[in-house]
Amino acid sequence: DAGVIQSPRHEVTEMGQEVTLRCKPISGHNSLFWYRQTMMRGLELLIYFNNNVPIDDSGMPEDRFSAKMPNASFSTLKIQPSEPRDSAVYFCASTRSGIANTEAFFGQGTRLTVV
Amino acid sequence: GDSVTQMEGPVTLSEEAFLTINCTYTATGYPSLFWYVQYPGEGLQLLLKATKADDKGSNKGFEATYRKETTSFHLEKGSVQVSDSAVYFCALRENTGFQKLVFGTGTRLLVSP
Repeated sequence: DAGVIQSPRHEVTEMGQEVTLRCKPISGHNSLFWYRQTMMRGLELLIYFNNNVPIDDSGMPEDRFSAKMPNASFSTLKIQPSEPRDSAVYFCASTRSGIANTEAFFGQGTRLTVV
Repeated sequence: GDSVTQMEGPVTLSEEAFLTINCTYTATGYPSLFWYVQYPGEGLQLLLKATKADDKGSNKGFEATYRKETTSFHLEKGSVQVSDSAVYFCALRENTGFQKLVFGTGTRLLVSP
């Protein structure tokens, strides 16, 4: 298996532009997490899907952020409009629910820079 | 809600020193516990795990024991190497409900020659 695949690996955009981050989870995994990592706040859980349904989005910072999972093999995290304070590394992770001792597998992350 | 608390970093050690990174958790049930490692520029990867009380996870010379009585899962290594320099994250996964994965804030380890 290729693991969790995120794209793009790096994104530089201007303030006010829309940004879309993409994630392909591992085949057979039915839980998907989006995290944001910054030096100041560490690793923050943004949203958690189970069987393509958003279960907990309490970590989404504000309405500018939205996430979707239209099917079991694809998820997006969108920021519109983007702001410089959104600059961070965004990670996607997937795992199987129903088996609590199964670890989550992380993608390589997308480094977002908003200028 | 469930939470994980890790010791503040950075932890700075000389090569071959003994390492301990403390981790304690709060959970309503009996979670599974994990240590992840993040090398510079990379994503998180599983280092070791333990799924029930008194279990010991081990990998690459690292060990951690699931201590239910103290709600702890401290990471140890007898002799660190420069290549162990990374950020280490303690995490728990609930065994009930939607089995949410909760991470600590991470502890940076710096090992000098």
